[in-house]
Amino acid sequence: GAGVSQSPSNKVTEKGKDVELRCDPISGHTALYWYRQSLGQGLEFLIYFQGNSAPDKSGLPSDRFSAERTGGSVSTLTIQRTQQEDSAVYLCASSLAATGGGSYGYTFGSGTRLTVV
Amino acid sequence: QQQVKQSPQSLIVQKGGISIINCAYENTAFDYFPWYQQFPGKGPALLIAIRPDVSEKKEGRFTISFNKSAKQFSLHIMDSQPGDSATYFCAASSGNQFYFGTGTSLTVIP
Repeated sequence: GAGVSQSPSNKVTEKGKDVELRCDPISGHTALYWYRQSLGQGLEFLIYFQGNSAPDKSGLPSDRFSAERTGGSVSTLTIQRTQQEDSAVYLCASSLAATGGGSYGYTFGSGTRLTVV
Repeated sequence: QQQVKQSPQSLIVQKGGISIINCAYENTAFDYFPWYQQFPGKGPALLIAIRPDVSEKKEGRFTISFNKSAKQFSLHIMDSQPGDSATYFCAASSGNQFYFGTGTSLTVIP
């Protein structure tokens, strides 16, 4: 597609349940990122995938959070045993890989609004 | 540690006025400085970006001013319009690692 696609757009789940959030990046973008944005807050980095390299998981807040990227394209963020503090908008972004010429901007999806009740 | 510091947190401007949002960074390895605009319910969208080899970049009513020696950059929105009301994020990157400011909520009053 033309942009980064995320699904579902909204998800309400009960505390303790597992959820999966999906991201379809722009075709040809080898870098994929997940961010979390709590109400009125900035962007909290979660995880970064670059091609076939090992992902940078340094931003994952706990071992309940995991993500994978299959075939270098679609990514799934999984949150196990959800807690109320996990309620936030989860944003996915993709970009072309940086080259020696410098960085490229991200393209963000519209996000998944997760509400844990 | 906040890699990019952004101010103010919120800003109210009259229609037709100039909106100014400031950011500062420490890492001199950063080589790309984008600004993102986010409307409620949407993801951030790239607005304008600058590289450190220039001191200013202008696109329509939006201008980035970049001060390499001071490690500061700012977004100026000229002739601000109610439709500019949104949250603005500055960012800095080196390679594929992006660091975002905490955002500025801009309200333009008609």
